[in-house]
Amino acid sequence: QITLKESGPTLVKPTQTLTLTCSFSGFSLSTSGVGVGWIRQPPGEALEWLALIYWDDDKRYNPSLKSRLTITKDTSKNQVVLTVTYMDPSDTATYYCAHRHYQDGYFDYWGQGALVTVSS
Amino acid sequence: DIVMTQSPDSLAVSLGERATINCKSSQSVLYSSSDKNYLAWYQQKPGHPPKLLIYWASTRESGVPDRFSGSGSGTDFTLTISSLQAEDVAVYYCHQFYSSPNTFGQGTKLDIK
Repeated sequence: QITLKESGPTLVKPTQTLTLTCSFSGFSLSTSGVGVGWIRQPPGEALEWLALIYWDDDKRYNPSLKSRLTITKDTSKNQVVLTVTYMDPSDTATYYCAHRHYQDGYFDYWGQGALVTVSS
Repeated sequence: DIVMTQSPDSLAVSLGERATINCKSSQSVLYSSSDKNYLAWYQQKPGHPPKLLIYWASTRESGVPDRFSGSGSGTDFTLTISSLQAEDVAVYYCHQFYSSPNTFGQGTKLDIK
């Protein structure tokens, strides 16, 4: 079955760079049509789509954060990495990675999420 | 960006009664060539990730109870729970995947009256 799990620091300081890793199983990012996305959720707030990477290395970013985001994949390790530069307290959120298929677009499998707090 | 607006922000329904949540998109999410609405609904319980309930506006995900149904087309959509159960207490989100950036509604909190 498909599973995803986020990992990374729980606390970062303002202006630092956040690096999050999504480790997954049950599918391969070398399979045509497969994608992994990142979505975040500030405490008590709504979901915000951040970035997406597909099997063919096609990458999509939320324009509101594009200059600060980088998404990469390591197919051999079954991992997707998201980096966010210049972290601010307003970036405090639970960060989720999720699976989707290119032809579908909805997120059908989600990781448990990783809470990241930005504070000095 | 397509703005997704849900209503109401919260509602309380008695056990066994019907719950209805609305979602309106700022532009159509109906892809004419496929005649599919690029709209999904998720359920999120406290401390858990969102769970996919409905996609293509009205297709129930495998394993989702049939008391959950989705309807609508174009810009107006509805999630209906026909007979509310205690385990349905959660926040519900709509999600458009018609265009990038994908966007979500602000969420609707559903409680028991």
